[in-house]
Amino acid sequence: DTGVSQDPRHKITKRGQNVTFRCDPISEHNRLYWYRQTLGQGPEFLTYFQNEAQLEKSRLLSDRFSAERPKGSFSTLEIQRTEQGDSAMYLCASSPTGEETQYFGPGTRLLVL
Amino acid sequence: GQNIDQPTEMTATEGAIVQINCTYQTSGFNGLFWYQQHAGEAPTFLSYNVLDGLEEKGRFSSFLSRSKGYSYLLLKELQMKDSASYLCAVRVWAAGNKLTFGGGTRVLVKP
Repeated sequence: DTGVSQDPRHKITKRGQNVTFRCDPISEHNRLYWYRQTLGQGPEFLTYFQNEAQLEKSRLLSDRFSAERPKGSFSTLEIQRTEQGDSAMYLCASSPTGEETQYFGPGTRLLVL
Repeated sequence: GQNIDQPTEMTATEGAIVQINCTYQTSGFNGLFWYQQHAGEAPTFLSYNVLDGLEEKGRFSSFLSRSKGYSYLLLKELQMKDSASYLCAVRVWAAGNKLTFGGGTRVLVKP
């Protein structure tokens, strides 16, 4: 088991461009979470999947953000028309049903110029 | 919503003990987690408390008082590698098991 993986690890983009991040959870973990973390702050919840179903979305997730988990395995998070305020670390976590602990991936650090 | 407070920064000496406090206000409490996060890295799980009392794991211990909305993380025999941010997070019922994090406490261990 290699843990949660995320790709890319770093992304620099210009304002207005679209970006997509990928998360591969730990095998057989059916719960998957996206969080966003800015410097000096704790992670903030964005959205949550149980298998392929997106069950909760934070108010932080504006219309420019969309997340999918089409086959209940990997997930993608897309940000359209990026803004400088989107610059942050985007963290993915997974957990199996019945276990409380969420295991985090290394994150994707986004910088919007 | 949930309100989680923890000190911003603490400094301690190698070999010493440090206690990081976390207070929270929430309804539907369903567990409290502590994570360690080194700069630029992902949070890594340290401990989980859902019942009152002390949980001990080697050099790290975590305590919970649900009636007081209070937890602490105790780090003993501090090592230089313990310099990191420590995140307190609360889980609530009917919230998809999402975690709500405090701002983190940055611990600096000095020789």
